[in-house]
Amino acid sequence: DIVMTQSPDSLAVSLGERATINCKSSQSVLHSSNNKNYLAWYQQKPGQPPKLLIYWASTRKSGVPDRFSGSGSGTDFTLTISSLQAEDVAVYYCQQYYNTPPRTFGQGTRVEMK
Amino acid sequence: QVQLQESGPGLVKPSETLSLTCSVSAGSISGYYWSWVRQPPGKGLEWIGYIHYAGSTNYNPSLKSRVTISVDTSKNQFSLKLNSVTAADTAVYYCARGSLDFDLWGRGTLVTVSS
Repeated sequence: DIVMTQSPDSLAVSLGERATINCKSSQSVLHSSNNKNYLAWYQQKPGQPPKLLIYWASTRKSGVPDRFSGSGSGTDFTLTISSLQAEDVAVYYCQQYYNTPPRTFGQGTRVEMK
Repeated sequence: QVQLQESGPGLVKPSETLSLTCSVSAGSISGYYWSWVRQPPGKGLEWIGYIHYAGSTNYNPSLKSRVTISVDTSKNQFSLKLNSVTAADTAVYYCARGSLDFDLWGRGTLVTVSS
């Protein structure tokens, strides 16, 4: 299985400041046939299901605010919230879909307001 | 817009079978893959498996011996069966659309395994 490891486990950011979440995969999720990274990011608020934010490592889902961005390639990826808003307080997960089976998720990163 | 809704018993006894159904509304189940994902209380996400609307499946090896996912296109539903459950199977179970990333999720249903 591909193991996804996120860092940090939690972070506290002031309103309007940048939040950066890292995700590392135990093997590359870059597919040589199409040069795509098979990685997604989700946001989960308390009592709610996860919400897809980013796929193919850097493609923002329609309707997701542009303060959310994804970057990275191979084994190292980053989710950046450029200017943290109150509604961004949540747990964020990365997920790889390179390997079948199984799909695997990171352990989650909790983002709180400082 | 398309919505997913999980349904089934919230309490299952140890060694018995957990059975859940996901109903797809305001859209067709055809043309897509559909997945089940679970989340133990206070913990992270675990992918259980997916099914294509035509019936092909793929399961998490850690659960494969106990899992069956099926689809009923006439009812616009797909289902999960997990047998021989233990307390470790207590979780919120989500149905979701997709086999790569998951772009649409149900609200989830808590299933507790307890006698």
